[in-house]
Amino acid sequence: EAGVVQSPRYKIIEKKQPVAFWCNPISGHNTLYWYLQNLGQGPELLIRYENEEAVDDSQLPKDRFSAERLKGVDSTLKIQPAELGDSAVYLCASSLGGGGAHSTDTQYFGPGTRLTVL
Amino acid sequence: GQNIDQPTEMTATEGAIVQINCTYQTSGFNGLFWYQQHAGEAPTFLSYNVLDGLEEKGRFSSFLSRSKGYSYLLLKELQMKDSASYLCAVSAFSGGYNKLIFGAGTRLAVHP
Repeated sequence: EAGVVQSPRYKIIEKKQPVAFWCNPISGHNTLYWYLQNLGQGPELLIRYENEEAVDDSQLPKDRFSAERLKGVDSTLKIQPAELGDSAVYLCASSLGGGGAHSTDTQYFGPGTRLTVL
Repeated sequence: GQNIDQPTEMTATEGAIVQINCTYQTSGFNGLFWYQQHAGEAPTFLSYNVLDGLEEKGRFSSFLSRSKGYSYLLLKELQMKDSASYLCAVSAFSGGYNKLIFGAGTRLAVHP
């Protein structure tokens, strides 16, 4: 069974340019997460989707970040415009979901997109 | 607030045993996860504890004490491939949903 797929694996852009990341979760997983991971740190949640609904985007910097999961499967995360401080690894994860707000599904992570902003 | 502490780095010898500790302070605790992350790769699930006690899974075991806010990951018969970062993550109910709050990770280096 395929795991979480992300692309691109690496992206180098100049500041003020836009960038987009794509994620395909494990088949049948209803919950999708985007995390940011800085070097030497643990992942930090940016946004969580239950099917196509963003149920927790409290940590997403909405002035420049946006995300969508239109058909409840694939998702894209966009930054426009990118800043130097956005250089990090952007991880996507998925879990089965459907267990309600108190569910503690195991999350399965993709390999991430390493973004470098010059 | 939420706070998770784990050592930044550890070293160990191939074939030995190593214990990686994690302490946490959180409200709405709903379990604790351990993930392994090799450099440049995805975090991979190792274990989940929600009740006090020891969970054993092959060479890896994880322990939880909810009253002490303490967990450890025990790695036995260390192999070179165990060199990686080990992330402690607490599941906490906040803002209407369970969230995973990660520690900064412990970088383990296994030497011959």
